[in-house]
Amino acid sequence: GQQVMQIPQYQHVQEGEDFTTYCNSSTTLSNIQWYKQRPGGHPVFLIQLVKSGEVKKQKRLTFQFGEAKKNSSLHITATQTTDVGTYFCAGRFSGGYQKVTFGTGTKLQVIP
Amino acid sequence: NAGVTQTPKFQVLKTGQSMTLQCAQDMNHNSMYWYRQDPGMGLRLIYYSASEGTTDKGEVPNGYNVSRLNKREFSLRLESAAPSQTSVYFCASSELSGAKNIQYFGAGTRLSVL
Repeated sequence: GQQVMQIPQYQHVQEGEDFTTYCNSSTTLSNIQWYKQRPGGHPVFLIQLVKSGEVKKQKRLTFQFGEAKKNSSLHITATQTTDVGTYFCAGRFSGGYQKVTFGTGTKLQVIP
Repeated sequence: NAGVTQTPKFQVLKTGQSMTLQCAQDMNHNSMYWYRQDPGMGLRLIYYSASEGTTDKGEVPNGYNVSRLNKREFSLRLESAAPSQTSVYFCASSELSGAKNIQYFGAGTRLSVL
């Protein structure tokens, strides 16, 4: 089936260090979304990327969509304790209608 | 606006018992979804309803049934609960338009099957 792989599964960083999580699909995606889930909470939408090579920024967060639309990354500059949580990518495949396929998530722990 | 409301928040069942998880959204969204979340597995789609009157299987539908009662409500039923169904269940909704299928999640139901 169509899968979206996400690495790493866990990441521990010192506060102030950078963090990156990667998402990969074997099949071209129509678009990709990123969600954040705080501990004990529910996933919350962060951003959607649609165009090949697209780069979007939200303050310290930078999102990229690969040229082939098969991979994406989320980079956080100078992490803060408020960045703690699990970050999920969710890819929409062509013809997937309303479905998105979530990656397995990267759990980020920030050590003060 | 309440957004997506799930009930109950917590539930403990014995093996073989049945129960229905309720979900309602007040955003006038056409599409609704049920996911389960297990450690290291991410969010896996159980069933979804692209629009009122339609339902389709997702990645892990076995052991579950759904009902799209109306545009607002989408319920998930476990007919005979099994320990493997211990999980956190999330309901989500989104607009119909493909370019706007941002998913809005409920707070989740934490289910334990003993």
